[in-house]
Amino acid sequence: DVKVTQSSRYLVKRTGEKVFLECVQDMDHENMFWYRQDPGLGLRLIYFSYDVKMKEKGDIPEGYSVSREKKERFSLILESASTNQTSMYLCASSSPDLTLSPGTGADGYTFGSGTRLTVV
Amino acid sequence: AQKITQTQPGMFVQEKEAVTLDCTYDTSDQSYGLFWYKQPSSGEMIFLIYQGSYDEQNATEGRYSLNFQKARKSANLVISASQLGDSAMYFCAMIPWDSNYQLIWGAGTKLIIKP
Repeated sequence: DVKVTQSSRYLVKRTGEKVFLECVQDMDHENMFWYRQDPGLGLRLIYFSYDVKMKEKGDIPEGYSVSREKKERFSLILESASTNQTSMYLCASSSPDLTLSPGTGADGYTFGSGTRLTVV
Repeated sequence: AQKITQTQPGMFVQEKEAVTLDCTYDTSDQSYGLFWYKQPSSGEMIFLIYQGSYDEQNATEGRYSLNFQKARKSANLVISASQLGDSAMYFCAMIPWDSNYQLIWGAGTKLIIKP
């Protein structure tokens, strides 16, 4: 019943490596988002996409890029990983209508389980 | 500036007690939506409850209710009869409806339920 899937739960990479974080959703949502989550800072938006091949910068895009070649897949790329990119990364998707129903049946703004990335 | 403030970094509550998690927001938009999410240690973000700015009644979903005070710009989450499984991070978020469906997030409150 998983609707937003992030490819890795835990990831350890070396400084300078190129890192790909993959996110796939099966709800036919137009909008997809990448956040990073750090203690005391909440969630901060990195990039979002409202259509295939479309992308918009969020609040903290520096050091990241994204790719949306297919509607269901939104990839976050760390061009040259650095230790300050150690964080929890969360992918989300939403429909433009943002229909809302609580609990696991939510069809509005749905998150993946997160990828905890450590850069050493 | 549009902002969400959660003033409680952490809370301890005895099992079966009610708990209120604070959230204040700042926006000049007349139309906006307010959300509460729960994030257990597993990391998944779980949608709990939603309140629209034009909704006259407070939203309720099972043990969750949202105490919406528009004039004070507060949207506190109330959990009645807390359970051990309620231990988690709780995030308040807002969509000002002139944005591109981008949520503005608070820093979160870590809730720990004691047996």
